[in-house]
Amino acid sequence: NAGVTQTPKFQVLKTGQSMTLQCAQDMNHEYMSWYRQDPGMGLRLIHYSVGAGITDQGEVPNGYNVSRSTTEDFPLRLLSAAPSQTSVYFCASSKQGGGYTFGSGTRLTVV
Amino acid sequence: KQEVTQIPAALSVPEGENLVLNCSFTDSAIYNLQWFRQDPGKGLTSLLLIQSSQREQTSGRLNASLDKSSGRSTLYIAASQPGDSATYLCAVSMMNDMRFGAGTRLTVKP
Repeated sequence: NAGVTQTPKFQVLKTGQSMTLQCAQDMNHEYMSWYRQDPGMGLRLIHYSVGAGITDQGEVPNGYNVSRSTTEDFPLRLLSAAPSQTSVYFCASSKQGGGYTFGSGTRLTVV
Repeated sequence: KQEVTQIPAALSVPEGENLVLNCSFTDSAIYNLQWFRQDPGKGLTSLLLIQSSQREQTSGRLNASLDKSSGRSTLYIAASQPGDSATYLCAVSMMNDMRFGAGTRLTVKP
């Protein structure tokens, strides 16, 4: 049982480049979400999904896109990377009203 | 807007002490509250989940309580060990969102 799997673990991008952070879960959880964690700011919600085909914005959505074509996968796309997007990104999943399971994170640096 | 506060921000104790970490939140309309542990450079490991209808949960040396009406939760760690050193995060779950506190950084000295 893999839980929540995130790839890649580390990534360095140049300003203006685009990339996709992958997230997959094998627990048949309806709810999936993306957070970023920054020193002094804690964890903040970027986007979330309550099921396949349904996504919505969280607290800090600008510069990011998401889609949910299957229950298992919830990729996060950076459209044009900026240094302000340097952060650690976590994907999480849960059953409705249940506890969250987090992936191990992606450490992104934008230079 | 839900605000989650954790006190203290940092705590250093000698091995063997019992300790209490505090979490407060401003909106009592929560689904549940979850305590996580985060080691440096690592992900979040769930420790305890308390549903809004529950008062406490226990796992080994850990006990978490929830008083939803007053917006408070405590995490009690018994007989602390150096391996307990980590950052402890409190998070409250509402509809489609989970709000985190800034964490308590715990150091347990041998």
